Amino acid sequence: KQEVTQIPAALSVPEGENLVLNCSFTDSAIYNLQWFRQDPGKGLTSLLLIQSSQREQTSGRLNASLDKSSGRSTLYIAASQPGDSATYLCAVAEETSGSRLTFGEGTQLTVNP
Amino acid sequence: NAGVMQNPRHLVRRRGQEARLRCSPVKGHSHVYWYRQLPEEGLKFMVYLQKENIIDESGMPKERFSAEFPKEGPSILRIQQVVRGDSAAYFCASSPLRTYYGYTFGSGTRLTVV
Repeated sequence: KQEVTQIPAALSVPEGENLVLNCSFTDSAIYNLQWFRQDPGKGLTSLLLIQSSQREQTSGRLNASLDKSSGRSTLYIAASQPGDSATYLCAVAEETSGSRLTFGEGTQLTVNP
Repeated sequence: NAGVMQNPRHLVRRRGQEARLRCSPVKGHSHVYWYRQLPEEGLKFMVYLQKENIIDESGMPKERFSAEFPKEGPSILRIQQVVRGDSAAYFCASSPLRTYYGYTFGSGTRLTVV
């Protein structure tokens, strides 16, 4: 059974810092991995999608890497801003079905002005 | 509107009533998924549907819960005889072809059972 773990559970940083969020998964037979952000009381916004054959994806100040063999992904946020404050979720799609996402518990990020 | 539309955004039901949650996928997406987020917990897969077919319902509670995605109209998640433990946020997601292109999530329906 796939298990996804995110570390740290919570993170508070001053504005302008670069930071790294970690995600690990137990079964390396994944179809793809997706990072989302969730604002309080809101839905999920997709940030980056990495296919199993890819090593990284970039969008603006965000960079996500994937090491499938070791079961790890990192989300790098450069020059953090207060507007980045949210919960960041990592989710993997299973290779066998590709249809079911297994989510981590999330990292709650607070960026202080 | 290019996004996944869920309604209602908030739903309050008394114990024993029925709850119906609706989801209209992104136009052109034929795959719909429902996830549940219990208070202080992560999102859990419930069911995967294509038009008129349930593909994977391994995450659905065995009783009181059902889902459909008819040929016409939105996908419906139905919860009969709701109990307090059903209080949660229910999210719908859609994708065009399995999950190769990733999921697009709706804003969710927050169900409160009183």
